[in-house]
Amino acid sequence: GIQVEQSPPDLILQEGANSTLRCNFSDSVNNLQWFHQNPWGQLINLFYIPSGTKQNGRLSATTVATERYSLLYISSSQTTDSGVYFCAVGPWSNTGKLIFGQGTTLQVKP
Amino acid sequence: EPEVTQTPSHQVTQMGQEVILRCVPISNHLYFYWYRQILGQKVEFLVSFYNNEISEKSEIFDDQFSVERPDGSNFTLKIRSTKLEDSAMYFCASSAGVEAFFGQGTRLTVV
Repeated sequence: GIQVEQSPPDLILQEGANSTLRCNFSDSVNNLQWFHQNPWGQLINLFYIPSGTKQNGRLSATTVATERYSLLYISSSQTTDSGVYFCAVGPWSNTGKLIFGQGTTLQVKP
Repeated sequence: EPEVTQTPSHQVTQMGQEVILRCVPISNHLYFYWYRQILGQKVEFLVSFYNNEISEKSEIFDDQFSVERPDGSNFTLKIRSTKLEDSAMYFCASSAGVEAFFGQGTRLTVV
């Protein structure tokens, strides 16, 4: 099955810094989503981005489907950005399941 | 904004007991899913459900587990005879086609 690798596994930033999180996947996909898991365990949808570039405030994401990777950019980080960021991909199938990476744990220090 | 809702948010049960986790998917969605996340680990796919039947299930989803859509709005996950290793966060998700939307999760603790 599809393998999803996220890097780095852990990241510590000072408030105000920028960061880039990477997601590599091993096969073509028809879905790619980025999530933020907050300290209460909730999975917050950030982006649905099987290809192209999207921006939402301080966050943006780019997926290069032909090269099988996606990047999540966080600019001017805030302490509330702390948590785990998951990339999840959907194989070409009719069931729509998602396969998650191991996540990047981000800690933003004040 | 429509959202997926799950109840309860936290459930504690004794080993060997049956539990039912409940979900109300987004109303016009047709595809429903359950995922599991053991503490500190990644989110794992359990089962997908479409047109009133299971469309795919993982190796984790053995005979201990079952899903049901008892009416037009609810989607449930039943775990028979819970084990300690079933302790995890369980997420329900729904989709109209591709993009999936997740509920806030039910934290199941088996003691």
